[in-house]
Amino acid sequence: NAGVTQTPKFRILKIGQSMTLQCTQDMNHNYMYWYRQDPGMGLKLIYYSVGAGITDKGEVPNGYNVSRSTTEDFPLRLELAAPSQTSVYFCASSYLDSTDTQYFGPGTRLTVL
Amino acid sequence: AQKVTQAQTEISVVEKEDVTLDCVYETRDTTYYLFWYKQPPSGELVFLIRRNSFDEQNEISGRYSWNFQKSTSSFNFTITASQVVDSAVYFCALSERSYNTDKLIFGTGTRLQVFP
Repeated sequence: NAGVTQTPKFRILKIGQSMTLQCTQDMNHNYMYWYRQDPGMGLKLIYYSVGAGITDKGEVPNGYNVSRSTTEDFPLRLELAAPSQTSVYFCASSYLDSTDTQYFGPGTRLTVL
Repeated sequence: AQKVTQAQTEISVVEKEDVTLDCVYETRDTTYYLFWYKQPPSGELVFLIRRNSFDEQNEISGRYSWNFQKSTSSFNFTITASQVVDSAVYFCALSERSYNTDKLIFGTGTRLQVFP
């Protein structure tokens, strides 16, 4: 049981490049979330999903897209990378909604130059 | 608006000292959940505790204890006899669930440094 896995662990992008951050969970959780963590700050919600085929915006969705075609996978896409997207990205999952415990992946550290 | 405040940015203690991390929250909801997470230097987020708004009993787990006081909207975390391995950033979080959102609201974290 791997829990929540994220790839890659680190990535450097040039301004304007695109990439997809992968997230997979093997706990059969319904809910999945993407957060970003900027230095000295807490986590901010980018997007979340309550189940396959359903996604919703969080607090800071601009510049990102998501999809949820299966229960297990919740990729996050950056279309035109900007320096403001330099951050650590965490994927999380929970069986129920935000009142339930969320389990986090190890994070992806992204730098946009 | 819903909010979580962790006023202590950084705390330094010497091993074996007790330390309390403060968390104050604001919410419109009558039912809500509070969480604490630990982020060690390796960077992952480790779940510590989940508490619902109807349960005001204090909780103890080994050297960790939590004091939930609805009257002051606080959910403080105490580490007894701190150890170097407790050095980490600790986050308090509050559930927010409404017709158009479903998320955790995180505080900005308290960095705890435990020196030998």
